[in-house]
Amino acid sequence: DTEVTQTPKHLVMGMTNKKSLKCEQHMGHRAMYWYKQKAKKPPELMFVYSYEKLSINESVPSRFSPECPNSSLLNLHLHALQPEDSALYLCASSQESSGTGEQFFGPGTRLTVL
Amino acid sequence: AQSVTQPDIHITVSEGASLELRCNYSYGATPYLFWYVQSPGQGLQLLLKYFSGDTLVQGIKGFEAEFKRSQSSFNLRKPSVHWSDAAEYFCAVGADSSASKIIFGSGTRLSIRP
Repeated sequence: DTEVTQTPKHLVMGMTNKKSLKCEQHMGHRAMYWYKQKAKKPPELMFVYSYEKLSINESVPSRFSPECPNSSLLNLHLHALQPEDSALYLCASSQESSGTGEQFFGPGTRLTVL
Repeated sequence: AQSVTQPDIHITVSEGASLELRCNYSYGATPYLFWYVQSPGQGLQLLLKYFSGDTLVQGIKGFEAEFKRSQSSFNLRKPSVHWSDAAEYFCAVGADSSASKIIFGSGTRLSIRP
């Protein structure tokens, strides 16, 4: 199984809502990533988890809260988002957390904040 | 720190024609180089990667790329494009360091003329 799955595919939320994005992989990868991608732009790294511990936070606002319950799962908890947070949120995983390994990407969650 | 430049924002080629997408990187040591493709509304898929060894790298879907250290380039090529190749292409560079992240170029959008 070389797939990274993400749920939901689409999410519409108000600025006062709390929601979560979910990502799952069963490739035995030890690193998992959250990226944010705006239209016509490259993915921007948000967080990296290595061996279930947060290793990189790219100065992301606290309204985004990542969680790695186990080595296969990655969540992104959303609270009090702004309309400019509307984007495609991509999850990825890799064998190890380094800049050398192939990252496998999920299909993304299209988030709209009203 | 590493960086990557894709000088072409948008390229249109005729179906059946050859393709070359340009990528220039900046990194002091040997870089880890990747080409990813993203279809509209989808995640990213790895086409090929270069770590060391033979400078001509074969990838999936008939793509290849050539690493040229003297020019700091890693251009992607395909001898004959198909309509299904229309997508966004991202070059990326990583490094073997504890910083553990991949830097993406700004992307090149490929359109195919029937």
